[in-house]
Amino acid sequence: DTEVTQTPKHLVMGMTNKKSLKCEQHMGHRAMYWYKQKAKKPPELMFVYSYEKLSINESVPSRFSPECPNSSLLNLHLHALQPEDSALYLCASSRLVFGQDEKLFFGSGTQLSVL
Amino acid sequence: ELKVEQNPLFLSMQEGKNYTIYCNYSTTSDRLYWYRQDPGKSLESLFVLLSNGAVKQEGRLMASLDTKARLSTLHITAAVHDLSATYFCAVEDSGGGADGLTFGKGTHLIIQP
Repeated sequence: DTEVTQTPKHLVMGMTNKKSLKCEQHMGHRAMYWYKQKAKKPPELMFVYSYEKLSINESVPSRFSPECPNSSLLNLHLHALQPEDSALYLCASSRLVFGQDEKLFFGSGTQLSVL
Repeated sequence: ELKVEQNPLFLSMQEGKNYTIYCNYSTTSDRLYWYRQDPGKSLESLFVLLSNGAVKQEGRLMASLDTKARLSTLHITAAVHDLSATYFCAVEDSGGGADGLTFGKGTHLIIQP
């Protein structure tokens, strides 16, 4: 299994809603990532988890709250989002120490619209 | 701060032609990635380039890395319409992994029949 599975694929939420994005992988990867990608822009790193601990937070607003409950799962909890937070949210995973030809595996993304 | 610059940002070309996309980065890194993204889709890994002088080829795409010049190229040979997509290069902030990637702005490639 070389897949990173993200759910839901599409999400529409109001500014007062609370929702969660989910990401799952079964490749034994101990590094997991959240990226945000606005339309026609490159992906931007949001968070990195290493061994289920938050290792990098790229100054992301607190209305985004990541959680890594175990080595296979990564969640992104959303609360009080703004319309400008509408974007494609990509999850990725990798080994912690990269070997030959190592790469990040990306999920298919959650397309989020905030109304 | 690591900066990754791609050019061109937009490229329209005819089928059968050759062209090269360039990726410059600002700090030392031994690992560079090329990804393809179709509209509304996720990122597809094309190449991982690990060392100076590395060259990899897959079909009509060939990627190379010059770590001394901090430059990677993605060369397209005899382009076909199916290669139309956005191509990103990405670089790790430091060696070893698990620091995340910094992406270039992407090259939006349109190949016309």
